Amino acid sequence: ETGVTQSPTHLIKTRGQQVTLRCSSQSGHNTVSWYQQALGQGPQFIFQYYREEENGRGNFPPRFSGLQFPNYSSELNVNALELDDSALYLCASSPGQGRNQPQHFGDGTRLSIL
Amino acid sequence: AQKITQTQPGMFVQEKEAVTLDCTYDTSDPSYGLFWYKQPSSGEMIFLIYQGSYDQQNATEGRYSLNFQKARKSANLVISASQLGDSAMYFCAMRDLNTGTASKLTFGTGTRLQVTL
Repeated sequence: ETGVTQSPTHLIKTRGQQVTLRCSSQSGHNTVSWYQQALGQGPQFIFQYYREEENGRGNFPPRFSGLQFPNYSSELNVNALELDDSALYLCASSPGQGRNQPQHFGDGTRLSIL
Repeated sequence: AQKITQTQPGMFVQEKEAVTLDCTYDTSDPSYGLFWYKQPSSGEMIFLIYQGSYDQQNATEGRYSLNFQKARKSANLVISASQLGDSAMYFCAMRDLNTGTASKLTFGTGTRLQVTL
């Protein structure tokens, strides 16, 4: 069984640029969530996708957007990058909407903004 | 709004000893789930254990057990027989089980556990 995979593992960008992060969900999982984890903090929920539709969003501005594809893989896009966007971005997948199902996380993408 | 509080920024434990990591939570939802995750320095969040708010018994998974005290709104993680590989950040998280839409996790700030010889 293949777990959650994220790419790239590390990324360096400058302020004002745009970035796309990618996530392949665990086999059989149709729900993908994205989290931002700043240094020394717990992860913060960005949004979730279920069957290619966004079905929940945290307190993040519209320049954070996403997609989910028919194979349930997902992208996180961030426009107009700011210094505070420097963080570890975690993707998590789970099977369906069963709320007692644990979310399974990837290794994350470390994004640094210069 | 849901809130998770982890008051121990760092903990030390000797190898083979047991350790308790504290977690308190606040929610107005009648139905919720509590999760513990381990995050090594590599960054991946590893699921450890789950407790539902209506579960009658405390959850156990191998060396991990959850001391769930609903009236006190606490869900402490107990690790028995600590191993050097247990050194990592540990996060407590909560999910509302009633919301019809997103099943987001709300995380605490974490506890860094260091296992010593």
